Amino acid sequence: EIVLTQSPGTLSLSPGDRATLSCRASQSVSSSYLAWYQQKPGQAPRLLIYGASSRATGIPDRFSGSGSGTDFTLTISRLEPEDFAVYYCQQYGTSPLTFGPGTKVDIK
Amino acid sequence: EVQLVQSGAEVKKPGESLKISCKGSGYSFTNYWIAWVRQMPGKGLEWMGIIYPGDSDTTYSPSFQGQVTISADKSISTAYLQWSSLKASDTAMYYCVRCPMTTVTCYFDFWGQGTLVTVSS
Repeated sequence: EIVLTQSPGTLSLSPGDRATLSCRASQSVSSSYLAWYQQKPGQAPRLLIYGASSRATGIPDRFSGSGSGTDFTLTISRLEPEDFAVYYCQQYGTSPLTFGPGTKVDIK
Repeated sequence: EVQLVQSGAEVKKPGESLKISCKGSGYSFTNYWIAWVRQMPGKGLEWMGIIYPGDSDTTYSPSFQGQVTISADKSISTAYLQWSSLKASDTAMYYCVRCPMTTVTCYFDFWGQGTLVTVSS
């Protein structure tokens, strides 16, 4: 099973700041099959990024994904008030599918 | 519009059985894999398993194999997650999710609203 580690656990930032979230895999993720999700309190997660760098439909371009192999990054270029949430990475290159533990982005 | 609408919250006692549902609409239900994801209170996301409603081909996560049963009724565009004997540790939010790829190894583009299952004596 591929174990995903996300860092930092919590990121305290202000609106307008740049956020950089890391997701590291215990072994290489095949075909860069890495997705990112956003979850707000009381809501279901929402797909942001798939294939490591492809934005899902309707996702603003301030969200971008990069990386390959074992190291992946989600960047939010300028935080908007609605971006404060928990972010999860997920690998889908190998079964069982696994998620990282999440990074909480909260208001400083 | 693609929608996955799940059944309502449940409160059960340990040892009871339960079947929750997920109805898909706005797309061809038989042509997309549907998975189930667990989120225990205050915790992260866990993939439980996946089913192809077209032929009911099913794959389980090793962590959930034998603990739950995933099924689907394509005639009514509905997938199910069921337990034969609930435990307190099954208390969680359960999400059904759609997979836009043709394989079991996929990401999830649409999520149901979640079904909260509470198991308590």
